Amino acid sequence: DTAVSQTPKYLVTQMGNDKSIKCEQNLGHDTMYWYKQDSKKFLKIMFSYNNKELIINETVPNRFSPKSPDKAHLNLHINSLELGDSAVYFCASSRGLAGAYNEQFFGPGTRLTVL
Amino acid sequence: RKEVEQDPGPFNVPEGATVAFNCTYSNSASQSFFWYRQDCRKEPKLLMSVYSSGNEDGRFTAQLNRASQYISLLIRDSKLSDSATYLCVVNGYNDMRFGAGTRLTVKP
Repeated sequence: DTAVSQTPKYLVTQMGNDKSIKCEQNLGHDTMYWYKQDSKKFLKIMFSYNNKELIINETVPNRFSPKSPDKAHLNLHINSLELGDSAVYFCASSRGLAGAYNEQFFGPGTRLTVL
Repeated sequence: RKEVEQDPGPFNVPEGATVAFNCTYSNSASQSFFWYRQDCRKEPKLLMSVYSSGNEDGRFTAQLNRASQYISLLIRDSKLSDSATYLCVVNGYNDMRFGAGTRLTVKP
């Protein structure tokens, strides 16, 4: 069984479109995250939710909106896609909050290409 | 100064070599430290946590120096399968910072 799953794995779309990426974890973790990894391979936190509550919201354009219907799911919706949004987006989960020694488990990533 | 800095490499070493990576961080209030490994076009995976007393896991040894604000990873007897990018992770309270990674290639 996949611990952290994301769909879709690949997403190719035109500028200006709206798209969503879904993430689910079956580990029973309380905390979930979205990361963006750009072409230079730099991995940067975007959002973090703990028990469906937003706890980290980095400086991300408000075109990006996370939604957590329950603690096993954290979806990412992106409005008005731009060329600079092209990247790999990783979802992750951990047992507790960041700051403690909680291992993060990552999904396989969604490779977004905006044309 | 970047919050978490790593030498990007690449480090190209022969099999059997010993290689060491360092990672410096700027936030003195950081609470937990990790090394993750990321293979090409794959997700990051935890290699090991880094504790104040230093810790070892087989061929891998991690050290933390809070006074100088750096962590290190030592790999002994390198294997071909160690080829990957090694990411340093530094966490504070509800704050996680990844380094840009150090690329290691182990050659026959």
